[in-house]
Amino acid sequence: DVKVTQSSRYLVKRTGEKVFLECVQDMDHENMFWYRQDPGLGLRLIYFSYDVKMKEKGDIPEGYSVSREKKERFSLILESASTNQTSMYLCASRPLDRVGETQYFGPGTRLLVL
Amino acid sequence: AQKITQTQPGMFVQEKEAVTLDCTYDTSDPSYGLFWYKQPSSGEMIFLIYQGSYDQQNATEGRYSLNFQKARKSANLVISASQLGDSAMYFCAMREVVGYSTLTFGKGTMLLVSP
Repeated sequence: DVKVTQSSRYLVKRTGEKVFLECVQDMDHENMFWYRQDPGLGLRLIYFSYDVKMKEKGDIPEGYSVSREKKERFSLILESASTNQTSMYLCASRPLDRVGETQYFGPGTRLLVL
Repeated sequence: AQKITQTQPGMFVQEKEAVTLDCTYDTSDPSYGLFWYKQPSSGEMIFLIYQGSYDQQNATEGRYSLNFQKARKSANLVISASQLGDSAMYFCAMREVVGYSTLTFGKGTMLLVSP
């Protein structure tokens, strides 16, 4: 059974804190993704990675960075959290180059920045 | 410009009835894939159904079917015999083959099924 796990389901941080969101997949997938989800806006891609140490900006990368040191782990970093980064964060993974293959999502992290 | 448009922010349906959730898309790529996902209140994204742009027949998966009209660039999800457990957010998404081939999502439709 495929599995994508995220380090926290709920997280509360203060403005200015550095925040790490961790994502781990056990399916040996090459591609990994970070999305944020906000009401009325759907899912928006922040960053993705198609290989270890490789990263590409998505649609809304400002205020975020990522790290992929190992194939199974993809971290999203908020260098200095702000209240407008309060959101649901979803991680996903997918095998390489199979157009019809779905992305497999983690359970999500609901982040509140105070 | 939006690549995926879901015009219905919310839909109501009675149990056991069929419901259609609309999705239109915009692409100039002849090769692409269309996906539907369900997101219950718990938050996890559940893959429902996939349609490839070259697929000759509409995709079906149990109670889910995809009404694919390529010329109109629409990919509507049809849920037959709705159940209370179908109440959730539903997202349409598209993947183009060009470039890094990421998924682009619509804004979603909230479906509420009443007894």
